[in-house]
Amino acid sequence: AQSVSQHNHHVILSEAASLELGCNYSYGGTVNLFWYVQYPGQHLQLLLKYFSGDPLVKGIKGFEAEFIKSKFSFNLRKPSVQWSDTAEYFCAVIRPGGLFSGGYNKLIFGAGTRLAVHP
Amino acid sequence: DAGVTQSPTHLIKTRGQQVTLRCSPKSGHDTVSWYQQALGQGPQFIFQYYEEEERQRGNFPDRFSGHQFPNYSSELNVNALLLGDSALYLCASSPGPLNTEAFFGQGTRLTVV
Repeated sequence: AQSVSQHNHHVILSEAASLELGCNYSYGGTVNLFWYVQYPGQHLQLLLKYFSGDPLVKGIKGFEAEFIKSKFSFNLRKPSVQWSDTAEYFCAVIRPGGLFSGGYNKLIFGAGTRLAVHP
Repeated sequence: DAGVTQSPTHLIKTRGQQVTLRCSPKSGHDTVSWYQQALGQGPQFIFQYYEEEERQRGNFPDRFSGHQFPNYSSELNVNALLLGDSALYLCASSPGPLNTEAFFGQGTRLTVV
């Protein structure tokens, strides 16, 4: 079955600590990869995305992610977290398709990682 | 520019009842997808609407149905509610079914008692 795995369900860090959240997916072939963030009481927002090209992707708020095809991974990183980064983070995958191949795009999400940053 | 709006924000229903949730996509978007997010889990794809037709469906029973209107807004209907249907229901819109950047609404929190 198609799946996305996020290794850590809960992460607790102090401000200024470095962050790395793991994400692995189970598809072969071409994929589009995303990290979404959900701040408390807010809607899901796109942090960054990878379609092709440079496997190191930079997103908003100082986040970056690295696509490693051989490891089917797309880990999220931030060198120094802030209290305002407290949120739930979701990794998601799309396998691109075409209108006539039945491959309408749908996001497949991991279970999420809840990050708490303490001042 | 309004983003994706969903109504209502919260809803409490009794087991066996039916519910309708509503979504207005972001301006310029013509494709709407619905997701169910149970507590402690990631969003699960329910279905996607484009050109007023259901184009793709996830692993959800026929009790879950939807509709898309000519103005691109959409409804999600759930019949014969079960306790397990309690979840946050998310609507996402995109400018075309092949567009890979989805914008999400804040969701409707459905509680079935």
